[in-house]
Amino acid sequence: KAGVTQTPRYLIKTRGQQVTLSCSPISGHRSVSWYQQTPGQGLQFLFEYFSETQRNKGNFPGRFSGRQFSNSRSEMNVSTLELGDSALYLCASSHGQATGGLSIQYFGAGTRLSVL
Amino acid sequence: GQSLEQPSEVTAVEGAIVQINCTYQTSGFYGLSWYQQHDGGAPTFLSYNALDGLEETGRFSSFLSRSDSYGYLLLQELQMKDSASYFCAVKYYGNNRLAFGKGNQVVVIP
Repeated sequence: KAGVTQTPRYLIKTRGQQVTLSCSPISGHRSVSWYQQTPGQGLQFLFEYFSETQRNKGNFPGRFSGRQFSNSRSEMNVSTLELGDSALYLCASSHGQATGGLSIQYFGAGTRLSVL
Repeated sequence: GQSLEQPSEVTAVEGAIVQINCTYQTSGFYGLSWYQQHDGGAPTFLSYNALDGLEETGRFSSFLSRSDSYGYLLLQELQMKDSASYFCAVKYYGNNRLAFGKGNQVVVIP
């Protein structure tokens, strides 16, 4: 079974630009979550999509948005990039049961975004 | 608050035992998870504690005490490949959101 695939792996942008990152989850997984990872802050939750609907949202500005398609693939968009957006963006998929216990997150290798 | 605290770095020799602690300040969660991340790699799931007590998975064990708001991951018989960052995470009641600690880097030396 193929793992979680994120594209592109590396991206360099300049301030003010926008960027779209892509995530293909494990086949059969309906939940996709996005995280921002920086050395100082660890993994910060951005949002989670389940069956094309945003189910949870973290504390990030509205410049960060996402969507999920009917095949569970997800995209994340960051508009008006700032230097502080430089980070590793990780996507994770899971079966996504609505409530309760263990829901193992399977992570992709991430997209490393550098904003100059 | 609902933060998870982890100390930042530990260095240990091959064959040693390392304990990574995780303290948290939330009561409404399903369980405590642990993830491992090698440099440049994706985080991978290691262990989960839904109930208080010890869970053992090979050389790794994880412990949870809800009354003490505390958990730990125990790495035994350390190997070079265990050099990585280790994150604890909780899943809050009512949603599918995982909140991660800032991680603890383990460096294994010969």
